[in-house]
Parts: sequence; structure tokens; C-alpha cells
Amino acid sequence: AQSVSQHNHHVILSEAASLELGCNYSYGGTVNLFWYVQYPGQHLQLLLKYFSGDPLVKGIKGFEAEFIKSKFSFNLRKPSVQWSDTAEYFCAFPPGGSYIPTFGRGTSLIVHP
Amino acid sequence: GAGVSQSPSNKVTEKGKDVELRCDPISGHTALYWYRQSLGQGLEFLIYFQGNSAPDKSGLPSDRFSAERTGGSVSTLTIQRTQQEDSAVYLCASSRNGGSLGNTGELFFGEGSRLTVL
Repeated sequence: AQSVSQHNHHVILSEAASLELGCNYSYGGTVNLFWYVQYPGQHLQLLLKYFSGDPLVKGIKGFEAEFIKSKFSFNLRKPSVQWSDTAEYFCAFPPGGSYIPTFGRGTSLIVHP
Repeated sequence: GAGVSQSPSNKVTEKGKDVELRCDPISGHTALYWYRQSLGQGLEFLIYFQGNSAPDKSGLPSDRFSAERTGGSVSTLTIQRTQQEDSAVYLCASSRNGGSLGNTGELFFGEGSRLTVL
């Protein structure tokens, strides 16, 4: 079955630490990939997306993600996190031919000041 | 408003009662989605509407759940005879062109309706 998995469910970091959140999907065809973020008390919003082209995509607030097709991965990175990055992060993809994004379980990130 | 609007934001009900949750999508968005977010779980797909096409109901967990979308705009999710396991945050999202194969584009989410069944 087509699915997406996030390996880190809870991450705790200090400010200025580097961040990498894992995301793997299971589908052999063309994929579009997304990272969404949900800040405390706010609605889910798009952080970044990959459709085609450069596998390294830049998003808002200094986030980036790299699509590695051979590893079926789309990991989210940020070189130096801030307290305001405390949020829930979700990886998502609509399996090829589908119009319904499948979401991962999410990763809760807490950044200590 | 400019965003997806959901109501009520919070709903507490007794087991066995029916509840209705409302979603007003962004104007002009043809695709509308309902997801459920339970504590410690990801987003669970419930139902999808695209224009005037028949909805994709493949995610509805039981026949107690139903949804409709009137006039291609506002949607109502109805849960009949609520159970405690229905407690969750119900999220609505809309999208500009959900019908394109492999190209759903960005989903715009509402703030959700938190349902608590006692």
C-alpha cells in the first residue's frame, strides 16, 4: 500500500541546533511531496513542496528539503532552529494518479530557548 | 474571510447524539477535503469532493459518518450516534485544482473542529 512514514515522532532541540526530520514514502512512480507545519494554536500550512526539477527545495523560514528518489525520502532540514520553530511537522504526498494527499503521523518539535 | 472557515471550533456532546460540523472553503476552490486528527496520530482522510463529481467516501470509518457539499461550496460533516472513539479534531481543507492527476497543489486548512464525546 502507498504510505508515508515519519520516523521521528518527538524531537527536542536547543536553539541554534541543526534539524533533520525524516520522511519516507512507498510508491514507485512519480511523486509530488509536501511538508506542512502546524504551529501551536494555528492551522496547518504549507512549508514547502516538490513537484519536479531541482530535488533540493527551499521553503519558508529557512527550511529546505531534499528529494532523494533512490531512497524514497524527502527529509526536512534547517541549519539553525529557533524557539519559534516549535510546531508539529507533517510530510505528505498524493500517490501517483491520486488527488488525496496521504499524511505521515507527524513530528512534534520542541525548541528550547 | 480569505481562509477556510470551520464551525464550531469546539463541540462537546454526549455519546449517542448526532453532531454536524461545517466547513466554508476558500471561494473558487473546487476541491474540498475532510480529515480527522486524533491525539498522537496523523491526519486520517475521510472524504473528498471535487466540483460536481460524486465524492470519494473511501475514508469514512463507518456508516455513521456522512458528508454533503451544497452548491459546490459549503460542506457539512455529520456524525450520527457519536461514540467516544469519534473524539478528535476534524479538519477541512480546500484546494484550487484537486482533480488534476498527481497534481493536487497546496491544501489550505481550516483551524478545525475539536469534537469531544463524553
